[in-house]
Amino acid sequence: DIQMTQSPSSLSASIGDRVTITCRASQSVRTYLNWYQQKPGKAPNLLIWTTSNLHSGVPSRFSGSGSGTDFTLTITSLQPEDSATYYCQQSYTTPITFGQGTRLEIK
Amino acid sequence: EVQLVESGGGLVQPGGSLRLSCAASGFSLSDYWMQWVRQSPGKGLVWVSRLSGDGSNAAYADSVKGRFTISRDNAKNTLYLEMNSLRDEDTAVYYCGRGCFSDSGGCVGYWGQGTLVTVSS
Repeated sequence: DIQMTQSPSSLSASIGDRVTITCRASQSVRTYLNWYQQKPGKAPNLLIWTTSNLHSGVPSRFSGSGSGTDFTLTITSLQPEDSATYYCQQSYTTPITFGQGTRLEIK
Repeated sequence: EVQLVESGGGLVQPGGSLRLSCAASGFSLSDYWMQWVRQSPGKGLVWVSRLSGDGSNAAYADSVKGRFTISRDNAKNTLYLEMNSLRDEDTAVYYCGRGCFSDSGGCVGYWGQGTLVTVSS
């Protein structure tokens, strides 16, 4: 199985900050890497598909990059509503696997 | 508008069975891969199973293989997850999800609200 490791596990940042979350795969997933945002008590929402494609309706302050084994999710100009847990997911092969999540808190 | 509504969760004893349903609207189930993802209380997301639009290709996480069965009724536009031999560790919120695009078997573009399954004696 492909293991997905996110870092950091949690972070705290201020409104307007630039935030970067990284995701590392235990083997290449090419560009089959997706990012989700989940708020407490809610279902996840897709943010970015296939490394860098913004899902419909997602603000442009979210962006993704990477390939192979190393990927990043970047949030420019952090907003209060960005407080959530973020998950990466590889969809290159089954079993599909998620990272352990990164909890983002707004200071 | 795409909508997914799960039902069928509840309290079940270890070794018991449960069938989850996911009623879809706003699109045709036969056009998309569908998935089940679960989340134990306070934990992260874990992929459970997926099924192709034509129903010919199913895959399962090792932890549920042989115990869970994914299926669909295209006439009812409903996805199912039949869960047998349930264990304490199957306790979770179960989400159904639709593929991002018609040929996408991985990313989940739309999610249901989830249904809670509690396995306990």
